Amino acid sequence: QMTQSPSSLSAYEGDRVTITCRASQSIATYLNWYQQKPGKAPRLLMFAASTLQSGVPSRFSGRGSGTDFTLTISNLQPEDIATYYCQQSYDTWTFGQGTKVEI
Amino acid sequence: QVQLVESGGGVVQPGRSLRLSCAASGFTLSTYGIHWVRQAPGKGLEWVATRSSDGSDEYYADSVKGRFTLSRDNSKNTLYLHMTFLRTDDTAVYYCARELASWDANQYFDSWGQGTLVIVSS
Repeated sequence: QMTQSPSSLSAYEGDRVTITCRASQSIATYLNWYQQKPGKAPRLLMFAASTLQSGVPSRFSGRGSGTDFTLTISNLQPEDIATYYCQQSYDTWTFGQGTKVEI
Repeated sequence: QVQLVESGGGVVQPGRSLRLSCAASGFTLSTYGIHWVRQAPGKGLEWVATRSSDGSDEYYADSVKGRFTLSRDNSKNTLYLHMTFLRTDDTAVYYCARELASWDANQYFDSWGQGTLVIVSS
C-alpha cells in the first residue's frame, strides 16, 4: 500500500514543491516516480528513489528509503502541471493514488 | 526509437471478452518484461499484469486474476492481454509499458504506449 500526500496542491511558478509517498512496509529504495499530464501516458521521472531518468530536468529530485519518500520540484514551471504518482516494485507493483499539481 | 502501440479497445457488454494488443518497435519485446497498467476514468493508475522477458513468470492483480491472461507472438513483436468475463469496473484506458531494472533490481517502467480505451457497458 502506497499513500501519497497531499492529494492535490497549488503553488506559484518558481516555488519549491514537495510530494510525499509512504509505503505500508519497508521497500528499501524500490520506489519510482511518474508524471502524467492530462490525456497523456505516464512518463518516468525518477527510479530507485533518487536516480533521475535521462532527459528529465534537474529541478526534479527524489529522496528516501524504507517507508518514506519525497519528490521535490524546485523552481516550479508551468509545464510541470500534472499528476505525479509514486510506484513501488518491492512486492509486485503498486502505485500511489496520485498528487495533482496546479499553478 | 522505442515505441509501444496498444490497440483492440472498444465498447463491450459485461460478461463478454476482448483482446488487447501491445505492439513493440525499436526493440525486441521478448527480451523485456512488459506490463499492463490501467486507469479508470478520472482515477489513478492500477497495475494489471506482467509477463517476464523469458515468459516463465506471469503475475496478475487480484482484481483480474482468473479472468485476464497474457500471450505473446514473437514473430509480430506483440504482447496480448486476453480479457474475459468483463465487468463494468474494468472500464479504463489500458497502457502497456516496458520494464527496465536498475543495478539493485528495482524495476521501473521506462516506456509507455498511448493507451487504448475499454468501455464495459450494457
